Amino acid sequence: LAKTTQPISMDSYEGQEVNITCSHNNIATNDYITWYQQFPSQGPRFIIQGYKTKVTNEVASLFIPADRKSSTLSLPRVSLSDTAVYYCLVGVLNFNRDDKIIFGKGTRLHILP
Amino acid sequence: DAMVIQNPRYQVTQFGKPVTLSCSQTLNHNVMYWYQQKSSQAPKLLFHYYDKDFNNEADTPDNFQSRRPNTSFCFLDIRSPGLGDAAMYLCATSSDGTLEEGYEQYFGPGTRLTVT
Repeated sequence: LAKTTQPISMDSYEGQEVNITCSHNNIATNDYITWYQQFPSQGPRFIIQGYKTKVTNEVASLFIPADRKSSTLSLPRVSLSDTAVYYCLVGVLNFNRDDKIIFGKGTRLHILP
Repeated sequence: DAMVIQNPRYQVTQFGKPVTLSCSQTLNHNVMYWYQQKSSQAPKLLFHYYDKDFNNEADTPDNFQSRRPNTSFCFLDIRSPGLGDAAMYLCATSSDGTLEEGYEQYFGPGTRLTVT
């Protein structure tokens, strides 16, 4: 499983676009990139997943450059309710392989009024 | 709505007194996971079931056991809780990944365990 590196924390203001970058230099050919959001005292919630280029859903966008060694989660026009921890995971769910599912330290995003 | 349910949300147990946490799902996923999350830390996988096949992480203490009587239910048993086992316990489900999908897991709200 590719190791990921994210900033420990970020601050931003309401209405701004927030970009959180995750480094995964050892990403394997079949690996997907998945982002989760976790609020205090709740379980993580799936946000978005991608393999290459750009993926967009109603919540966020995910930008993946051609070499796939990093990815950027983009949250448009954040609000106070986007204050949470964001985790980047890289890998693939394939139980024929002995892969471990490891959550990295995550990025603690704090939105200010 | 299809979902993952954990009961209870808060559990208090005494040092050394066995405790069981429960998880149920309506997603009909064949994989279920248990994670431990301590304060300000990332979730740590304890074990998972792929159908009835139990897969224990190498560093999961023997004090932690699990049962999965059917597709919908999974239990986490802590045989002799210590103070260091106080944490949030998260249950999650996913499809079986045979399509080489990414890590899309569905998490329950968690059970916060206090050991006194």
